[in-house]
Parts: sequence; C-alpha cells; structure tokens
Amino acid sequence: DGGITQSPKYLFRKEGQNVTLSCEQNLNHDAMYWYRQDPGQGLRLIYYSQIVNDFQKGDIAEGYSVSREKKESFPLTVTSAQKNPTAFYLCASSMGGFTDTQYFGPGTRLTVL
Amino acid sequence: AQTVTQSQPEMSVQEAETVTLSCTYDTSENNYYLFWYKQPPSRQMILVIRQEAYKQQNATENRFSVNFQKAAKSFSLKISDSQLGDTAMYFCAYNNNDMRFGAGTRLTVKP
Repeated sequence: DGGITQSPKYLFRKEGQNVTLSCEQNLNHDAMYWYRQDPGQGLRLIYYSQIVNDFQKGDIAEGYSVSREKKESFPLTVTSAQKNPTAFYLCASSMGGFTDTQYFGPGTRLTVL
Repeated sequence: AQTVTQSQPEMSVQEAETVTLSCTYDTSENNYYLFWYKQPPSRQMILVIRQEAYKQQNATENRFSVNFQKAAKSFSLKISDSQLGDTAMYFCAYNNNDMRFGAGTRLTVKP
C-alpha cells in the first residue's frame, strides 16, 4: 500500500532533550513537508523539501531542524531551543511543488513533560 | 501574506441534511489552488476536494461540492446528505507555492 507513515504516534520528551520524529513515504513524491498543529489553529509550516539534500524554512522553523538524505524520508528534530514544543505534528508529501495536492501522514503527538 | 479565514468555529447538522461551511481568503494572485481537508477524530488529514482558480466550474466529489466565487475570494464547501462519518474538523487551504490553512470548522452530524 502506498502512503505516508509517521512514528511514533505518541512521544514524550523531557525539557532540554532533543527528539526526532520520523516521516517516510513510498508514493515516489519529490516534495515533503512538516506542519505543526495547535488547538484552535490551522496548520503552520515548519520546513519543506522539494528535492533530496535541499530544504527550506517555513513560517515557524526556529527550534526545529530537518534532513533529506533520501527521497522517501524527511525526519524532523525538535531541539531544546523550541520553547513550546508540545503539539501535534503532521508530515505531508506531494508529487512536485506546493501547487500539487499534499497528502498527509497520521501525525505524531509530542508532549513535553 | 495570504490569509485564510473560516468564520464558523463550530457547526452542527442533522443526519441526511445539507450543510455549508464558509471560507474566505486574501490574495493578489490570479492563479492558485484551493482545498478542503477533513480531519476526523483520528486526526488523519484527508483531502476532500480541490479547486483550481483558473477553472470556473465548481469542483464536486460525490456528496461534496464547492461554491467558488473568485471575485469575492470565497470558497465554501457544501456537504449534501450528511452522514455521521462526516463529523470532523474541516480545514480550508490556499496554495500558490505557499500553503495556508484556515483555523478550521468543527462539524458535528447529529443522528
């Protein structure tokens, strides 16, 4: 089955720790995205990548980092510099750039203890 | 920056009835794409419908249809014959090399 997988589904982190969220797709999509969702708000873009070994900051990149070493994978690291990391994180992919339809993974709920 | 506004935080509808969710957006661009996504309690974002701004014909997908008014920058979603499984958050999104989401409308379908 083609799709986007995110792991883990739930993640708990102590303050001061870095944590990495996984996102994998087997849709052969070139572009991948990371969004953050907070209660009462829409999705906000953290980072995106339109090609391997290249990525761009979105609106709220501070305190986050990404890598794109493989077409299928786009992991997101939430660093200790992120002041309020508790949120729901969604990964998406699209065939090409932003104008193509984005398809989403099931999400990861990150809670900082 | 483009903004997307969903003015109805919550709505409810009786099963089998029709409901319309509103969305307006702000842009100076002529070519862009608009989307409605559904997020059920599982929190998986599911594409409902897509509209290309250069197409005048309103998009439809089974029970879902849109009323796209380009001059008014309005993009409402109509759900016909509402089903219990339609209960979800619905997000309107604008895309022109910069994806923007509205804050969402929580729709509850009542039996």
